[in-house]
Amino acid sequence: GAVVSQHPSRVICKSGTSVKIECRSLDFQATTMFWYRQFPKQSLMLMATSNEGSKATYEQGVEKDKFLINHASLTLSTLTVTSAHPEDSSFYICSARVTGGGEKLFFGSGTQLSVL
Amino acid sequence: DAKTTQPPSMDCAEGRAANLPCNHSTISGNEYVYWYRQIHSQGPQYIIHGLKNNETNEMASLIITEDRKSSTLILPHATLRDTAVYYCIADTSGTYKYIFGTGTRLKVLA
Repeated sequence: GAVVSQHPSRVICKSGTSVKIECRSLDFQATTMFWYRQFPKQSLMLMATSNEGSKATYEQGVEKDKFLINHASLTLSTLTVTSAHPEDSSFYICSARVTGGGEKLFFGSGTQLSVL
Repeated sequence: DAKTTQPPSMDCAEGRAANLPCNHSTISGNEYVYWYRQIHSQGPQYIIHGLKNNETNEMASLIITEDRKSSTLILPHATLRDTAVYYCIADTSGTYKYIFGTGTRLKVLA
């Protein structure tokens, strides 16, 4: 099946710094990718839809200026958590759909962000 | 997207079939039912999906009721590595904005 690579798998940063998370589709093109956040013992919450070559669409309650999404190519989307604070500590997961076919999404392995 | 309801937890003996139910009584005619599972600290793994007909692949079988208001995921011979949280998702074809419920935490017992 298609592979989605997410990097880094774990990051620890100081409060106030920015962190970039990459999501790559390794063997397929993905016009659309999705970003999720998951707090401990909770389910995944959709944050935003990332569209190649256009602005991301954010879900209600998600601050677009805090969670910057860039989808500059058909195989790469990035999520930047700007001015991170401890409450941003969470498990971030991306997913991608094969452009032009297939009904299912493929998920990355996730990034555990810890803000000190 | 249709809301799905699943039992919060289930146990299954190793080697036995695990049957995980999902209720999606508000599903519409063009919404697929997807099953994913998530092992601790990993991204969700695709298992199977279907629209109307029952489906089977190398991992599992999906049984969808005729009225499509519920479905059952069957792991025919559960192993310890099948211990995970299983999510049932109903998605209108074309949106792919999966809405995850709370899922079922399956524990396979030795």
